[in-house]
Amino acid sequence: NAGVTQTPKFRILKIGQSMTLQCTQDMNHNYMYWYRQDPGMGLKLIYYSVGAGITDKGEVPNGYNVSRSTTEDFPLRLELAAPSQTSVYFCASSYSSAGEETQYFGPGTRLLVL
Amino acid sequence: AQSVTQLDSHVSVSEGTPVLLRCNYSSSYSPSLFWYVQHPNKGLQLLLKYTSAATLVKGINGFEAEFKKSETSFHLTKPSAHMSDAAEYFCSGGYNKLIFGAGTRLAVHP
Repeated sequence: NAGVTQTPKFRILKIGQSMTLQCTQDMNHNYMYWYRQDPGMGLKLIYYSVGAGITDKGEVPNGYNVSRSTTEDFPLRLELAAPSQTSVYFCASSYSSAGEETQYFGPGTRLLVL
Repeated sequence: AQSVTQLDSHVSVSEGTPVLLRCNYSSSYSPSLFWYVQHPNKGLQLLLKYTSAATLVKGINGFEAEFKKSETSFHLTKPSAHMSDAAEYFCSGGYNKLIFGAGTRLAVHP
């Protein structure tokens, strides 16, 4: 039982490049989330999903896209990387809604856009 | 609208002394509230959660928090700090989506 795994751990992108951050969970959780954490700040919700095929925007969705084709995977896509997207990205999952159930977090992906 | 405010960005204590990390929330309904801990270069780990059962919640590693509706507070405490408690602590609350506070960095000195 690996929990929530994220790849890559670290990536440097040039402005305008695109990439996909991968997130996989093996706990059969229905809910999955993407957060970003900027230095000295709390986590901001980017997108979340309540099940396969269902996604919704969080607080800061601009510049990102997600899909949820399976219960296990919830990739986050950056289409045109900008310096403002330099951050640490955390994926999380929970069995039901975040307010009722414990969220389990991945180790994070550190992204630097230059 | 709901919000979570952590009142101290940095807290410094000596080993063996009590820890108090403060969190206030604002919500139009009774929220679920959580405390998470983040060690350097790690993901977040749940310390404890309040979901409208007992107002005093006990968590891992000797931490506890008390939900006070009249004060809209959910402060985190520990009777005796250990060096390994040095980390960033986040208060969060919500229903379908969690709102996170900005974090409190706890330093523990020998």
